[in-house]
Amino acid sequence: AQSVTQLGSHVSVSEGALVLLRCNYSSSVPPYLFWYVQYPNQGLQLLLKYTSAATLVKGINGFEAEFKKSETSFHLTKPSAHMSDAAEYFCAVTASGNTPLVFGKGTRLSVIA
Amino acid sequence: GAVVSQHPSRVICKSGTSVKIECRSLDFQATTMFWYRQFPKQSLMLMATSNEGSKATYEQGVEKDKFLINHASLTLSTLTVTSAHPEDSSFYICSAPRSDSDYEQYFGPGTRLTVT
Repeated sequence: AQSVTQLGSHVSVSEGALVLLRCNYSSSVPPYLFWYVQYPNQGLQLLLKYTSAATLVKGINGFEAEFKKSETSFHLTKPSAHMSDAAEYFCAVTASGNTPLVFGKGTRLSVIA
Repeated sequence: GAVVSQHPSRVICKSGTSVKIECRSLDFQATTMFWYRQFPKQSLMLMATSNEGSKATYEQGVEKDKFLINHASLTLSTLTVTSAHPEDSSFYICSAPRSDSDYEQYFGPGTRLTVT
């Protein structure tokens, strides 16, 4: 069985500050890991994914995440927050590309001007 | 552009009626599609796995007779909410893994169902 824990249901940062959203996973097999962003009343947009290649993954909109097997973590970072980054962020895990994703509870990111 | 579409994007129906939601893969074939449900301010929960040409697999606690899934072709899966009740009001999202992109899953834009 797989699971994801997102630490912090709500994170608030100032515009221009570092964004750090935490995700820890549990998986009995090598995981595929994903970060998605969801704006109000919209679907999911893939930010980035880890599929056993490079452990530092760069995504869209300046986001990146590092897979750390020893810490079972896949934290999402962005050096400088922008107002448009305010949204809900979901970390997800799966065992392979053809199996459903298991999502974390989500972290709401607020950006303060 | 979008590779998975859903129709309708929003639907309001009366309690007791049935609603059909379509999920289409636009430029690839999907033998498997997944249906998720998202209640307000909550995460996505897998409801069922839709398999082309065979019965869907439902997650524990999801009533298969209430949420009918039909995967009649390699590009279309439908979810029918039968005898809908207000507690079925939710955001329904489908996804399809694409074999030619390392099975990356593409999500539809979602369908907002409101049962009055």
